[in-house]
Amino acid sequence: EAQVTQNPRYLITVTGKKLTVTCSQNMNHEYMSWYRQDPGLGLRQIYYSMNVEVTDKGDVPEGYKVSRKEKRNFPLILESPSPNQTSLYFCASSLKSGRFPYEQYFGPGTRLTVT
Amino acid sequence: GQQLNQSPQSMFIQEGEDVSMNCTSSSIFNTWLWYKQDPGEGPVLLIALYKAGELTSNGRLTAQFGITRKDSFLNISASIPSDVGIYFCAGSSAGTASKLTFGTGTRLQVTL
Repeated sequence: EAQVTQNPRYLITVTGKKLTVTCSQNMNHEYMSWYRQDPGLGLRQIYYSMNVEVTDKGDVPEGYKVSRKEKRNFPLILESPSPNQTSLYFCASSLKSGRFPYEQYFGPGTRLTVT
Repeated sequence: GQQLNQSPQSMFIQEGEDVSMNCTSSSIFNTWLWYKQDPGEGPVLLIALYKAGELTSNGRLTAQFGITRKDSFLNISASIPSDVGIYFCAGSSAGTASKLTFGTGTRLQVTL
């Protein structure tokens, strides 16, 4: 089944404790992206990647890191989480087709709470 | 960054009614997408629009790319209980094809 998977689905952590949220897709998509969703703000893009070893900042990259060493994986790293990073996080992927923007397919989400 | 205003923020409708929602941008967009998000899940793509004036349907859903390229509309005909969820518009402008800007969402609730 074609899908985007994220782990963990739920995470409660403390301020300053490094964490990684994994994202994996099995559709051979070149493009991958991370979003955070907060009440009243919709989805905001954190980082995106056009292909392996190519990443770029979205609208709210502060406090996050990403890497794209393999096509299928795009982990989101919080080196020193803070309470304002408590949010619902989504990973998405798509083909780099001829039509823009890419029609992105989303994972199930990771709910992160930082205390 | 770009702003997408989506309205209404929420709506209660009766089963069988038609629904309209819209999204406006502070700048010109080249593409509009409409997504639906069910509770506890990620957004799912409903309709994609690539040309000003374009009208596209997906079952009971119809979306239009506004002529000014600053707005888009989504209509749902004969609503049913499974239409409940949050509907998001999203778009991108020239030069930012790899980045999507999302609206704040319209929460739809259907009463029997």
